Amino acid sequence: SAVISQKPSRDICQRGTSLTIQCQVDSQVTMMFWYRQQPGQSLTLIATANQGSEATYESGFVIDKFPISRPNLTFSTLTVSNMSPEDSSIYLCSVDGSRGQGGGYTFGSGTRLTVV
Amino acid sequence: AQKVTQAQTEISVVEKEDVTLDCVYETRDTTYYLFWYKQPPSGELVFLIRRNSFDEQNEISGRYSWNFQKSTSSFNFTITASQVVDSAVYFCALAGRAGANNLFFGTGTRLTVIP
Repeated sequence: SAVISQKPSRDICQRGTSLTIQCQVDSQVTMMFWYRQQPGQSLTLIATANQGSEATYESGFVIDKFPISRPNLTFSTLTVSNMSPEDSSIYLCSVDGSRGQGGGYTFGSGTRLTVV
Repeated sequence: AQKVTQAQTEISVVEKEDVTLDCVYETRDTTYYLFWYKQPPSGELVFLIRRNSFDEQNEISGRYSWNFQKSTSSFNFTITASQVVDSAVYFCALAGRAGANNLFFGTGTRLTVIP
């Protein structure tokens, strides 16, 4: 299955600043998904990133707050902009890494963000 | 619309007991995929199983087994002879056409295995 390298693994940021999270996949994939996991909660989809087109955002998430880049089929970034303490969460990227072999969606190791 | 319900928020069992985690799903897709993931305290998501909607065979992998019943839209997960290392949050998830759709996650069940 696909392997994702996600960084940074954690960061503590000042409110009002921005943080860019990177995900590198070891194979070409059409779609990459960005999730947020708030403390003690489940995973919520932020957006779906396709190469060559604008990301598709879920209700409650906007491009100005969470701009996404997808310059090629193996890489994507998510920026958390103008951060507030409410943005403190784990952010994860994901792809369907099964390559038709019946495996699971692959997740990055997550970025644990704390905004102070 | 896709929806996954995990009614059990938290479960505690004593080591070596069997435990079943419930998952009920809703979807209008005729082809869909169901998953279980484990999230230990370290935070990473560990893939456990993927099942497509055309395959209702139950599956056993070591101490883990899964019961998929389309008639009741359920995909339950049983751990036999639980161990302390099984303590984690377990998520059931649903995807439509694989590769085209993201995963919809249930709210998770926190399992604590008491030694």
